[in-house]
Amino acid sequence: NAGVTQTPKFQVLKTGQSMTLQCAQDMNHEYMSWYRQDPGMGLRLIHYSVGAGITDQGEVPNGYNVSRSTTEDFPLRLLSAAPSQTSVYFCASSYGFAYGYTFGSGTRLTVV
Amino acid sequence: DAKTTQPPSMDCAEGRAANLPCNHSTISGNEYVYWYRQIHSQGPQYIIHGLKNNETNEMASLIITEDRKSSTLILPHATLRDTAVYYCIALPLPYGGSQGNLIFGKGTKLSVKP
Repeated sequence: NAGVTQTPKFQVLKTGQSMTLQCAQDMNHEYMSWYRQDPGMGLRLIHYSVGAGITDQGEVPNGYNVSRSTTEDFPLRLLSAAPSQTSVYFCASSYGFAYGYTFGSGTRLTVV
Repeated sequence: DAKTTQPPSMDCAEGRAANLPCNHSTISGNEYVYWYRQIHSQGPQYIIHGLKNNETNEMASLIITEDRKSSTLILPHATLRDTAVYYCIALPLPYGGSQGNLIFGKGTKLSVKP
């Protein structure tokens, strides 16, 4: 099993550009979520999904969109990149009850 | 807001046991205590979780006080590779909807020294 795969690993964007961070898991997990981590800080929840077709906002959703058309994939879209979105983004998934989350290795995004 | 409090940093000598405390005096009766760690620049890694009984797996042991107001994560023989930020998180089980989301605090930065 590959676990949780995030692509790309690194990305530089110009202000105003849009892009999609990809997240895929092959563990048939129902729960998936996106976090961002700024330097020296803990992880903050952006959006999450409890199953295909169901998404909801987390703590810091502004400027991001998500969709969950399949169980495996949970892409995060930046609509119009801003320097404040420079961060490391982590995707995570979980089977549900009594299981821990598996995290991807992260996407390091710089907006200039 | 996180329901747990942890010391910001701790040191441990290589080969010795690392005991990381966590206070969670306000957690509910159905909330489990989860531990994750984040090694520099990597994604967080699940370690262990428990409700009220002590738990052990291949990575660590979790000791929860009888009143459930605090717990201790024990790494029995710390190595340099255990240097990381350790997060203690309260999560209800079974969970549904937003209850299943991890809320990370600042954690404890454990430094294992030779």
